[in-house]
Amino acid sequence: QSALTQPPSASGSPGQSVTISCTGTSSDVGGYNYVSWYQQHPGKAPKLMISDVSKRPSGVPDRFSGSKSGNTASLTVSGLQAEDEADYYCTSYAGSNNWVFGGGTKLTVL
Amino acid sequence: QVQLVQSGAEVKKPGASVKVSCKASGYTFTDHYMHWVRQAPGQGLEWMGRINPKSGGTNYAQRFQGRVTMTRDTSITTAYMELSSLRSDDTAVYYCGRDSTVTGNFDYWGQGTLVTVSS
Repeated sequence: QSALTQPPSASGSPGQSVTISCTGTSSDVGGYNYVSWYQQHPGKAPKLMISDVSKRPSGVPDRFSGSKSGNTASLTVSGLQAEDEADYYCTSYAGSNNWVFGGGTKLTVL
Repeated sequence: QVQLVQSGAEVKKPGASVKVSCKASGYTFTDHYMHWVRQAPGQGLEWMGRINPKSGGTNYAQRFQGRVTMTRDTSITTAYMELSSLRSDDTAVYYCGRDSTVTGNFDYWGQGTLVTVSS
């Protein structure tokens, strides 16, 4: 099972919006609406930010949103804030009771 | 409140095995799958497998088949992940994560356990 493809880095200035992509195949991202996104600060455990493509768990700011088109899922962070600087990972169900992560994207707030 | 508390750091020699525990509290342990994810130093997250605490049924990532064993003890609400035939590239932080919905949404995570494999 190959990892999902994410850009290694992304950046934006405070207040701007940034979108991070997560590209898979029809066997994972494109085949199921089971994509989730995680934020990870250095030395910390990941935190769930988006579940099932576009659902925002309680407590996650509405500046975070998720979507999917075909084999590519996306995480958009609007109104960037300094505390959004972190690594972001997508994951998708890949069939046969397997899951696969993306390689991660380092988001820098300029 | 939901908490997942993992066992402490381990140092192992190549070829040995390691068993990491994940103590769950604050919810009904058997109601949620538990997944295991690892992260090598400076690298991304890697899914290893999951266990159904109610039945004990497991699903493992293909690359770990034959080397990983996930178990649980419902009497003490603890999940375990044992990895055998350790190699240096198994050096990583190992996390347990609770699946909130069965569809792979890990809403609570343990603090991580660093396993170092070195001769």
